[in-house]
Amino acid sequence: GAVVSQHPSWVICKSGTSVKIECRSLDFQATTMFWYRQFPKQSLMLMATSNEGSKATYEQGVEKDKFLINHASLTLSTLTVTSAHPEDSSFYICSARSTVNSPLHFGNGTRLTVT
Amino acid sequence: DAKTTQPPSMDCAEGRAANLPCNHSTISGNEYVYWYRQIHSQGPQYIIHGLKNNETNEMASLIITEDRKSSTLILPHATLRDTTVYYCIVRVDGANSKLTFGKGITLSVRP
Repeated sequence: GAVVSQHPSWVICKSGTSVKIECRSLDFQATTMFWYRQFPKQSLMLMATSNEGSKATYEQGVEKDKFLINHASLTLSTLTVTSAHPEDSSFYICSARSTVNSPLHFGNGTRLTVT
Repeated sequence: DAKTTQPPSMDCAEGRAANLPCNHSTISGNEYVYWYRQIHSQGPQYIIHGLKNNETNEMASLIITEDRKSSTLILPHATLRDTTVYYCIVRVDGANSKLTFGKGITLSVRP
């Protein structure tokens, strides 16, 4: 149980275009999902907390207009990287949990390369 | 959330127990200790968590000291596939409670 699926697993896009990443909880409902970013040889950094039916909460230094988060249902959150630039190239990972006291489970990540 | 301190790396022999230490001297009474690991190019994998009592599951055991200021993750029979980065994190459970990752400890299992 507690499977989190991310799609796509990798994407290459041109500078200036937008990319959407999907995060789904397959066998449970998640009122809260979290989005992380990881640069090479670094640890995961939390970008934002996504709450179903309300606005996401962004961590300090993360531009909300650049990283659009939509949590439209209890099983789906999306992260859209708008007007992507090469410095946005990174490994994006989502996570979710079934209850407030359950462990967070992570998707397998999306490798974004902006050329 | 309280901060954790882990040595940057350690190694152990294949088939032996791997004991991964973690210090969390400022942990508060309602903070849980969580362990995750991240295999290269994948999302972190949940291993185990606990509050006060020692815990065991099919993957590992978690030993928490009585004062809760440190803990040890035990992989009872390490395999080569256990070579990766392990993260010890303390967190209060709650609706928007976050997991903040440090640098973790790199475990190398030698043949």
